Amino acid sequence: DQQVKQNSPSLSVQEGRISILNCDYTNSMFDYFLWYKKYPAEGPTFLISISSIKDKNEDGRFTVFLNKSAKHLSLHIVPSQPGDSAVYFCAAASMDSNYQLIWGAGTKLIIKP
Amino acid sequence: GAGVSQTPSNKVTEKGKYVELRCDPISGHTALYWYRQSLGQGPEFLIYFQGTGAADDSGLPNDRFFAVRPEGSVSTLKIQRTERGDSAVYLCASSLPGAGGGELFFGEGSRLTVL
Repeated sequence: DQQVKQNSPSLSVQEGRISILNCDYTNSMFDYFLWYKKYPAEGPTFLISISSIKDKNEDGRFTVFLNKSAKHLSLHIVPSQPGDSAVYFCAAASMDSNYQLIWGAGTKLIIKP
Repeated sequence: GAGVSQTPSNKVTEKGKYVELRCDPISGHTALYWYRQSLGQGPEFLIYFQGTGAADDSGLPNDRFFAVRPEGSVSTLKIQRTERGDSAVYLCASSLPGAGGGELFFGEGSRLTVL
């Protein structure tokens, strides 16, 4: 039973345009969500997070949107740059067990020059 | 080093053998986590340490898997009687106390291949 789903295994975007990565979850107890970025042969690195009391969090080119009623979150990257090419993981946690992240399968983002 | 260090980076072993994977967390990080990532999937939680004690080992798949952190710093993940299904990248992460919300710092992982 996948509690966190990333339904697009890959996404290709032109450099300079907006990249939108999507994530759906099923557990209504999740109240903290994170995006991690992973390059080949490296561990995941934290990108941005959002708690359930917010619907938007922005950090530079990266914005995460949370729609609790739809149990959906998305990561927007604008403008997309070649260095953004990586695998992006969505992860979720509940505050009462916030050390245990539940991860999606990842979306491979390819930025075309 | 400044980051989480994991050794070995690659380990090839035969079915039935014993394997140890080591993690050296960021200095000052009292929380330490082990995750396992199989091909095409996201990381899967194995165990969490707060200091020397295992605060949650509910993710360990069976009793062939065991992890220790005797001095509250370096941790070792131990796998007995390895099986082909144990092949995966084993990721270690650490975080500051009270970081909450999962902002973890990951090592590069140890890729285990069981033949």
